[in-house]
Amino acid sequence: GENVEQHPSTLSVQEGDSAVIKCTYSDSASNYFPWYKQELGKGPQLIIDIRSNVGEKKDQRIAVTLNKTAKHFSLHITETQPEDSAVYFCAASTWTGFQKLVFGTGTRLLVSP
Amino acid sequence: NAGVTQTPKFRVLKTGQSMTLLCAQDMNHEYMYWYRQDPGMGLRLIHYSVGEGTTAKGEVPDGYNVSRLKKQNFLLGLESAAPSQTSVYFCASSQGVQDTQYFGPGTRLTVL
Repeated sequence: GENVEQHPSTLSVQEGDSAVIKCTYSDSASNYFPWYKQELGKGPQLIIDIRSNVGEKKDQRIAVTLNKTAKHFSLHITETQPEDSAVYFCAASTWTGFQKLVFGTGTRLLVSP
Repeated sequence: NAGVTQTPKFRVLKTGQSMTLLCAQDMNHEYMYWYRQDPGMGLRLIHYSVGEGTTAKGEVPDGYNVSRLKKQNFLLGLESAAPSQTSVYFCASSQGVQDTQYFGPGTRLTVL
């Protein structure tokens, strides 16, 4: 089955710096790659996603890149702010009757003022 | 819209006790999912439903049962709780198979 690895497990940056989180997946059939942000005591919230027919997607300060050949995708956050501090999860999915999301183990991002 | 809600928010059980976790969504979504989140392991799918009256097993279904009698509700049951079921449980829903999954706030369950 699908296996998703996520790095780093923790990331500390200064406000205004950029942050990059990387994920690799094993199943070449995966075709949907969402990123979720989870704040303390809350459920995961989708921040951006990308489908396998697209190489890059951007939404304001957040961007995601996908390399299907290498089976890896990355989250880029520019001009980080303290409110970006949270745990970020990547996931990979196939659509076989339902959306089978397989999550990475999460990255704790800390943005210091 | 409240989105996805879960009750209760916290619960402590003794080994062998039973309980039901309720997930409700007001978005008229077809698909609903139950996940558990354990430290260092991300979220893992327990059971899912592709529509009212349907349920299916996910990655870690043992020890759990589910029901979807109404489209808006998805219940997760623990018949005989074990300490290994101590976890945070999240429910999610989506309109279609290719659509975004929206998560609830979670239920923190401790089994002593």
